[in-house]
Amino acid sequence: DQQVKQNSPSLSVQEGRISILNCDYTNSMFDYFLWYKKYPAEGPTFLISISSIKDKNEDGRFTVFLNKSAKHLSLHIVPSQPGDSAVYFCAASEKGGGSEKLVFGKGTKLTVNP
Amino acid sequence: DTAVSQTPKYLVTQMGNDKSIKCEQNLGHDTMYWYKQDSKKFLKIMFSYNNKELIINETVPNRFSPKSPDKAHLNLHINSLELGDSAVYFCASSQRAEKLFFGSGTQLSVL
Repeated sequence: DQQVKQNSPSLSVQEGRISILNCDYTNSMFDYFLWYKKYPAEGPTFLISISSIKDKNEDGRFTVFLNKSAKHLSLHIVPSQPGDSAVYFCAASEKGGGSEKLVFGKGTKLTVNP
Repeated sequence: DTAVSQTPKYLVTQMGNDKSIKCEQNLGHDTMYWYKQDSKKFLKIMFSYNNKELIINETVPNRFSPKSPDKAHLNLHINSLELGDSAVYFCASSQRAEKLFFGSGTQLSVL
């Protein structure tokens, strides 16, 4: 039972354009959401997070939007750069769970073409 | 200066063997984890230790035994390896309930 779903296994965008990566979740107890970025042969690295009390969090070129009623979050990257090419994992944790209870999606492979 | 380091990076072994993967973090974090990324690419938690104490033990065969000699180290020992154990194993650490820092992974291939 996938509690965190990333339905697009891959996404390709042109450099300078916006990249939008989507994530859906089923567990209404999730209250903290994170995005991780992973390059080949490396471990995932933290990118950005959002608490369920917010609907938007921005960090430079990266913005995460949360729609609790739809149980949906998205990561926007503007403008996209070739170095952003990586696999992006969405993750969520339950109330009080914190990092100890992170549930990950399968990831979306983003390719940014020069 | 790697924050979370795990060894070996690649491990190829025969079915039935016993192997260990080592993990060390120099971030001063209290909590360490083992995650498994299987062939379907899901990252799933296996174990979590806080200050050498086991706090999460997901449904993992008891052939897998984590050992934490101190809060900076969390090793994973696997007995009687099976084909289905082939995966990438990631060590991670965090401070309390904050973001995880991952190691670069150990790709285990059981032949």
